[in-house]
Parts: sequence; C-alpha cells; structure tokens
Amino acid sequence: AQSVTQPDIHITVSEGASLELRCNYSYGATPYLFWYVQSPGQGLQLLLKYFSGDTLVQGIKGFEAEFKRSQSSFNLRKPSVHWSDAAEYFCAVGAGSSYKLIFGSGTRLLVRP
Amino acid sequence: EADIYQTPRYLVIGTGKKITLECSQTMGHDKMYWYQQDPGMELHLIHYSYGVNSTEKGDLSSESTVSRIRTEHFPLTLESARPSHTSQYLCASSPGQNQETQYFGPGTRLLVL
Repeated sequence: AQSVTQPDIHITVSEGASLELRCNYSYGATPYLFWYVQSPGQGLQLLLKYFSGDTLVQGIKGFEAEFKRSQSSFNLRKPSVHWSDAAEYFCAVGAGSSYKLIFGSGTRLLVRP
Repeated sequence: EADIYQTPRYLVIGTGKKITLECSQTMGHDKMYWYQQDPGMELHLIHYSYGVNSTEKGDLSSESTVSRIRTEHFPLTLESARPSHTSQYLCASSPGQNQETQYFGPGTRLLVL
C-alpha cells in the first residue's frame, strides 16, 4: 500500500536560513509526488509536483524538491526562508490510476525573526 | 489560481442537526474530493467523484454522504451531527485525466456541540 512519511513534526529555522523538509514515500511504481503548503485556516496550495523527467523540480515561492528513487525520498528545499513561509507543509503521493492522493502527516515550519 | 469555493467557512451547530457543506468549482473539473483533517493531522479522503452521478467512499469511513448532480457542485451532508464530526473539511477537484494536481478550497471548520 502507498504511504508517505514526514519524519519532522516541527521545524524551526531563522529567517534567511536554508530549509529542507523531508519526505519518504512507499509506492511500487513510479510515483507522482506533490508538495502542498497550508497557511492557518486555509486550504492547501500546490508548491510543486513531480511526474517524470528531471528529478529536480522548481516550484512557486522559491521552493524546489529533488526526487531520489534510490532513497524513496522527495525532500523540499529553499535556500533562504522568509517569515511568510511559516505554515504547514504536506507531502503527497499519487496512488496510481485511482486519482487519489495519500498525504503525509505534515511538517509545521516556524520561522524565527 | 484555482477557483474552488466552500461555504460556510465556519459552522458551529448542536448535536443532532442536519448540515450540508457546499463545494463548488468553476473549472469544469470531472473529479472532486472531500477530505477530513483534524488539527495538526494529515488529510484523510472520505469521498470522491469521477463525474456526474458518480460517488465513491474514500479511505476513511465517514457517516457523511455526498451527491454529484452537476459537474461544478459536490455537497457533503451529515444527517445528524455529533461532536465526533468536529473537524475541518476540505474539498478539492482535478481535471479528468490521469493522476494530476488537485486544487483545494479554503475548507470548512465544523464544531458540533
């Protein structure tokens, strides 16, 4: 069965510092992978997605993620965090032809001034 | 930016009341989804639809029901609300092709007293 693990429940970084949020997935075939961001009281906004091709994908707001098949990982990165990046981040894997997404439990990002 | 709307945004209601959470999208997407999200937790799929007159139960058992009479509208109904139904409900939609991005509404926060 498909699953997604986000091992970090909370991460705190200083504004201007670099960021990496971890995501590991379990899926038998080539996965479709997504990162979403959720601000308090809001729905989810897509940051970026990987379907195929270049394993380094660029997203909105300066985020990028790298798909590593050997490690079953799809970590999200940003070189310099802004205070407005404080939010909950969810990694998700597409469950094949059923069109469903399996979400991780999320990582809450806190940004220190 | 996706055009998907949910009403109400917040709802406080007493036990035993019937409620309907509205979800509408103006993008002509075939597929629509309802997720339940408890605070600080992952999203769980409770219902989805592949198109008009198509509804399926998701991975998390729910006492709610849905209908899909029109492409743009996917309401969720609870016949008799209970405190255990207190949660956030997120609606999403995606185009009618293979696995791709789901676009989310802002969510409805439900509190059942």
